[in-house]
Amino acid sequence: DTGVSQDPRHKITKRGQNVTFRCDPISEHNRLYWYRQTLGQGPEFLTYFQNEAQLEKSRLLSDRFSAERPKGSFSTLEIQRTEQGDSAMYLCASSLAAAGGIGEQFFGPGTRLTVL
Amino acid sequence: QKEVEQDPGPLSVPEGAIVSLNCTYSNSAFQYFMWYRQYSRKGPELLMYTYSSGNKEDGRFTAQVDKSSKYISLFIRDSQPSDSATYLCAMLRGGSQGNLIFGKGTKLSVKP
Repeated sequence: DTGVSQDPRHKITKRGQNVTFRCDPISEHNRLYWYRQTLGQGPEFLTYFQNEAQLEKSRLLSDRFSAERPKGSFSTLEIQRTEQGDSAMYLCASSLAAAGGIGEQFFGPGTRLTVL
Repeated sequence: QKEVEQDPGPLSVPEGAIVSLNCTYSNSAFQYFMWYRQYSRKGPELLMYTYSSGNKEDGRFTAQVDKSSKYISLFIRDSQPSDSATYLCAMLRGGSQGNLIFGKGTKLSVKP
C-alpha cells in the first residue's frame, strides 16, 4: 500500500499524559499536513511542512502541541499534558506541489485520540 | 460567521435519486474549491477539484462553482448505496500553500 499511513490508529490516554502520533506520507510527496477533526465537524488545519521545514502553524496549535518532520520524510505530532478537549481524530495528509502550485492532498486514515 | 457553511444533514435519498450538496462561503479570496468524501472512520478522499466558476463533470459527479454568489454545489446522479458517506466541501485561498478550510460535512445515506 503506497498511501499515507498513520500510527497508532487509536489511542486512549489519561488526562495529563503525553502522546505521540506518527505519519508516513506518500514517498515522493514534499508537503505534509496535520489536521484535527472532532465529531460532526470538518477537519481543521493545524500545521504543515514543506520537506523538513515547518512553514505554517494554526492558532489551534497551542504550546502543548509540537510537530516535527526530520529529514523531510515521516512526521510526528506530540501532545503534552493532554486535556479532554484534545479528544479528536488527528489526520495527516501529504501532497506533491511544485513552487507556486497546489497539489492534491491525500489523507491518511487518522489517529483517533480519546483522553479520559 | 464561519468562513465556510455547510448543512450537516443528515440527508436520506432512495437509490437512483439525484443528490444536491451545497456550501456557501464568505471569503472572496477563496479560489480553489474541492469536494471530499469521507466514509465512517476513514480519512477524506478527494472527489472533485475546481479552480474557476462553472461546471466540472466526472462520471456521475458534477461540481458547480458560482463565485459571484459565493456558492458551490456537488451533484450526484443515479446515486448508489455505496455513495453513503459524509461529503465535505473544502476551499483554498489564492496564494495559500495548502491550508484547506473545510465545511462541517453533509452526511448522506442512499437507501436501496
